Amino acid sequence: AQTVTQSQPEMSVQEAETVTLSCTYDTSESDYYLFWYKQPPSRQMILVIRQEAYKQQNATENRFSVNFQKAAKSFSLKISDSQLGDAAMYFCAYRSGLNQGAQKLVFGQGTRLTINP
Amino acid sequence: DVKVTQSSRYLVKRTGEKVFLECVQDMDHENMFWYRQDPGLGLRLIYFSYDVKMKEKGDIPEGYSVSREKKERFSLILESASTNQTSMYLCASSSGGLAYEQYFGPGTRLTVT
Repeated sequence: AQTVTQSQPEMSVQEAETVTLSCTYDTSESDYYLFWYKQPPSRQMILVIRQEAYKQQNATENRFSVNFQKAAKSFSLKISDSQLGDAAMYFCAYRSGLNQGAQKLVFGQGTRLTINP
Repeated sequence: DVKVTQSSRYLVKRTGEKVFLECVQDMDHENMFWYRQDPGLGLRLIYFSYDVKMKEKGDIPEGYSVSREKKERFSLILESASTNQTSMYLCASSSGGLAYEQYFGPGTRLTVT
């Protein structure tokens, strides 16, 4: 079974600085998808960024980018120019590339990010 | 915008009660999910459904059941609530296809006393 590990329960960063959240995963599959989700204090979880394992290029969405290291099974999230609205719980998630049922997600434990003004 | 709604934000129930958590999505998604969120454990999948009347167990189905009679609605049932089921419950939905994201509801904070 696949597992996802986020080893940083909490992180903090000064506003306007850059922060990197770590995520590692364990799988024997070669085809899969990785996601970062954000859960603000209001609790509605939203997708931040996704990465297809077959793509070598790291995904980028505005101030958010990933460092995908397939051999190391590492998928970190970098947030540039941190803003107060970035404060949230961040979850890393894995989805198998096999077309099984409803393509369930496996989540990490989460990292709580605090932005200091 | 995709909307996933859950019937209650906060719920307090007594041990032994039968509890229903309702989830509705408005985007005609095939797939629906129920997760439980606990500090330090992340989200864990309880049950999911990929079609009306179809359901599959997730990683922690014990003590729960589900119902999907209509495509837009997915219900989580706690047959006899226990204190260890006190948690945040999140519903999600997604369209078919491996790359599609899951859209989440706001969550229900359930307390069982």
